[in-house]
Amino acid sequence: GDSVTQMEGPVTLSEEAFLTINCTYTATGYPSLFWYVQYPGEGLQLLLKATKADDKGSNKGFEATYRKETTSFHLEKGSVQVSDSAVYFCALSDPGAGSYQLTFGKGTKLSVIP
Amino acid sequence: NAGVTQTPKFQVLKTGQSMTLQCAQDMNHEYMSWYRQDPGMGLRLIHYSVGAGITDQGEVPNGYNVSRSTTEDFPLRLLSAAPSQTSVYFCASSPLGQGNYEQYFGPGTRLTVT
Repeated sequence: GDSVTQMEGPVTLSEEAFLTINCTYTATGYPSLFWYVQYPGEGLQLLLKATKADDKGSNKGFEATYRKETTSFHLEKGSVQVSDSAVYFCALSDPGAGSYQLTFGKGTKLSVIP
Repeated sequence: NAGVTQTPKFQVLKTGQSMTLQCAQDMNHEYMSWYRQDPGMGLRLIHYSVGAGITDQGEVPNGYNVSRSTTEDFPLRLLSAAPSQTSVYFCASSPLGQGNYEQYFGPGTRLTVT
């Protein structure tokens, strides 16, 4: 079945540092890929998405590129802020295979210190 | 437009009690789903529905029932609560088709079973 593997946390960075959170996936079909963010005490919000190979999703300074050849969707941000402290989830769905279910990675907790 | 709403926000149950977690959305989305979030496990799909009158099981359905009598509502029933069901529960909805596979999440219900 489909699966998502993302780097274990927690990750602690100083403000303005560069962020990378690795995400790789396995899927039988041609999935859509997502990054969701969960701020403390809240539900999940979509951060960015990509639906086909070489697509780059971007939002709030975060970027991720759909790499089919390496089955990866790594999240990056050039300069993190304290307000980026949250848990980040990589996820996929495969609607082309008739599945709208989201398969999640286990999440990576990011803490940004001033 | 309230999006996805969930009630209650917090609940404490004793082992063996039953209860219903409520979920409603006002976006006319066909697809609705329930996830549970446990530390180190990410989010796991419990049940989902692709429209009124249609439900199906996800990854961890045991101990839970759902029904979908209207497009708007998708309640989750715990038949006989067990401590293993202590978790945070999230409801999500999504429009089907149109190339938009984003899921919109509610704020969650934190359930403790003693």
